[in-house]
Amino acid sequence: DAGVIQSPRHEVTEMGQEVTLRCKLISGHNSLFWYRQTMMRGLELLIYFNNNVPIDDSGMPEDRFSAKMPNASFSTLKIQPSEPRDSAVYFCASSLMGSSPLHFGNGTRLTVT
Amino acid sequence: GQQVMQIPQYQHVQEGEDFTTYCNSSTTLSNIQWYKQRPGGHPVFLIQLVKSGEVKKQKRLTFQFGEAKKNSSLHITATQTTDVGTYFCAPYSGGGADGLTFGKGTHLIIQP
Repeated sequence: DAGVIQSPRHEVTEMGQEVTLRCKLISGHNSLFWYRQTMMRGLELLIYFNNNVPIDDSGMPEDRFSAKMPNASFSTLKIQPSEPRDSAVYFCASSLMGSSPLHFGNGTRLTVT
Repeated sequence: GQQVMQIPQYQHVQEGEDFTTYCNSSTTLSNIQWYKQRPGGHPVFLIQLVKSGEVKKQKRLTFQFGEAKKNSSLHITATQTTDVGTYFCAPYSGGGADGLTFGKGTHLIIQP
């Protein structure tokens, strides 16, 4: 099994640009989580899907952030427009179900200048 | 999500010394998971504790779940340089997205 796959690994963009982060879940996993990690805030849960349906998006910072699961194996996190304070490492994780152990991808390091 | 206090935030030890990190909740938990993140890496699942008073061991690592299921600890015996990283607890109180919120983590720094 290839594990959770995230792309790109690194993204550098200018303020105001649209950023799209991608995640491929482990086959058979039903739950998908997006996290953001910074030194100041630690590991923050942004949004959680179960069976392709968003269950809890209370961690999404603001309307500039949106996440989708167009199918059972793939998800995107979009930031439009991006701002320097969005700079962080964004992790995607999947699990068999909500309380099962999480399998994290390698993350996307986003830098917004 | 479920909020927990994880202490200490940082811990410096000499190689060979023991290390303990604690995770405390104000409410009863259904279960708790522990993860390790190496510098520059991603969190990796270590263990899940479910039962009151449960103790689990993985080589030099000992995990405990309190009798009241409100706190947990991770103890490492005789630390090695490979133990360097951040250790997170992730509590689950049952239902919705609870338990998917991670503690702030304890950064373990080992001096050879």
